[in-house]
Amino acid sequence: EVQLVESGGGLVQPGGSLRLSCVASGFTFSSYSMNWVRQAPGKGLEWVANIKQDGSEKHYVDSVKGRFTISRDNAKNSLFLQMDSLRAEDTAVYYCARVRAVVTLYDAFDNWGQGTMVTISP
Amino acid sequence: DIVMTQSPDSLAVSLGERATINCKSSQSVLYSSNNNNYLGWYQQKPGHPPKLLIYWTSARQSGVPDRFSGSGSGTDFTLTISSLQAEDVAVYYCHQYYSLPWTFGQGTRVEI
Repeated sequence: EVQLVESGGGLVQPGGSLRLSCVASGFTFSSYSMNWVRQAPGKGLEWVANIKQDGSEKHYVDSVKGRFTISRDNAKNSLFLQMDSLRAEDTAVYYCARVRAVVTLYDAFDNWGQGTMVTISP
Repeated sequence: DIVMTQSPDSLAVSLGERATINCKSSQSVLYSSNNNNYLGWYQQKPGHPPKLLIYWTSARQSGVPDRFSGSGSGTDFTLTISSLQAEDVAVYYCHQYYSLPWTFGQGTRVEI
């Protein structure tokens, strides 16, 4: 069974940093591109970043470019999101999500974690 | 960026009746080389992560009931629930994965 478990969320002041983690199990992690998607309270879904299966390509939504860094450790079946210079508008539940097919960025997301809440407030 | 616009924002449907959700993209998500529309649909219930229902516009994800179907091409897409069940109450999102950044529709709330 595919499992994705996020951690690392919490309450941080504006300008602060957080590092989110997502530990994967039940599949060959190194074969799949991965994504971070966030959802502000009561709002819709916003894609944040993705990374190819080998880490060779990374992409970000404009609003987080230069502040967030996506990375992965295939040996530890783990995905990360380093979030710096955090702003109130970054407050959201952050989900990690797996792409449906192997060796591609361009596919729907077939497995999602339960999410970790990030709150940015003074 | 490709803007995804869903309609309606919410709808109420009687049990056993059909529910139709529309999604329009600001530019085509059809890749001519493989004739695939890079469009998916998700269902999200309160307190839960999204669940993939449909990918490539009309391919049903494993385990998804066949009352859920997707159609469309280019810029106009539809998710249909043929006979609404109580467990289908949720918010539904369309998602384009044709052009980065990936984008989602604003969501459509389906109620009984």
